[in-house]
Amino acid sequence: GAVVSQHPSRVICKSGTSVKIECRSLDFQATTMFWYRQFPKQSLMLMATSNEGSKATYEQGVEKDKFLINHASLTLSTLTVTSAHPEDSSFYICSAYETGYTDTQYFGPGTRLTVL
Amino acid sequence: AQKITQTQPGMFVQEKEAVTLDCTYDTSDPSYGLFWYKQPSSGEMIFLIYQGSYDQQNATEGRYSLNFQKARKSANLVISASQLGDSAMYFCAMREGPGSARQLTFGSGTQLTVLP
Repeated sequence: GAVVSQHPSRVICKSGTSVKIECRSLDFQATTMFWYRQFPKQSLMLMATSNEGSKATYEQGVEKDKFLINHASLTLSTLTVTSAHPEDSSFYICSAYETGYTDTQYFGPGTRLTVL
Repeated sequence: AQKITQTQPGMFVQEKEAVTLDCTYDTSDPSYGLFWYKQPSSGEMIFLIYQGSYDQQNATEGRYSLNFQKARKSANLVISASQLGDSAMYFCAMREGPGSARQLTFGSGTQLTVLP
């Protein structure tokens, strides 16, 4: 299957700092990528849909100014958590579509964010 | 109403036995896709199997098969000859509507433990 990478895999930061997470499709082009958040022992919650060359579409309840998404190329989307606070600590995971018969979403390995 | 329901929070199976993980879905769209993902403790989401709403036959991928009962709106995952490495969280997901780049809706997951 297609490969999606995510960087960094783990980050610890102080409250008030901003953190950027990168999501890359390594062997295919992805016009659409998705960002999810997952709390321990819970399911994935969609945060936003990232479209190459246009503004991201955010799910209800997700703060646009808090979670900045940029999809500047067909292989890269970034999520920036601005002015992070302890409640932003979570597992963030991205996915990208490989178009084809199944239109399967392939996921990155995730980023564990801990805000102190 | 829940779009994807997984009623088994936890399941145990003996090594080399088969196990069925339940998933029911709710949609009024005639075109949809059903996916199963595996999430080990490392956090990555691993794509296992896909079933399209118009597919006539049940999907199979190695030891994984999908028992698709359209009238009952169920898409159970069957894992044959369980291995210790199959211990993980399993998520059922649905994409509604045709075309690519549509979001997935996830169930709450089933934690599978394979016993030696």
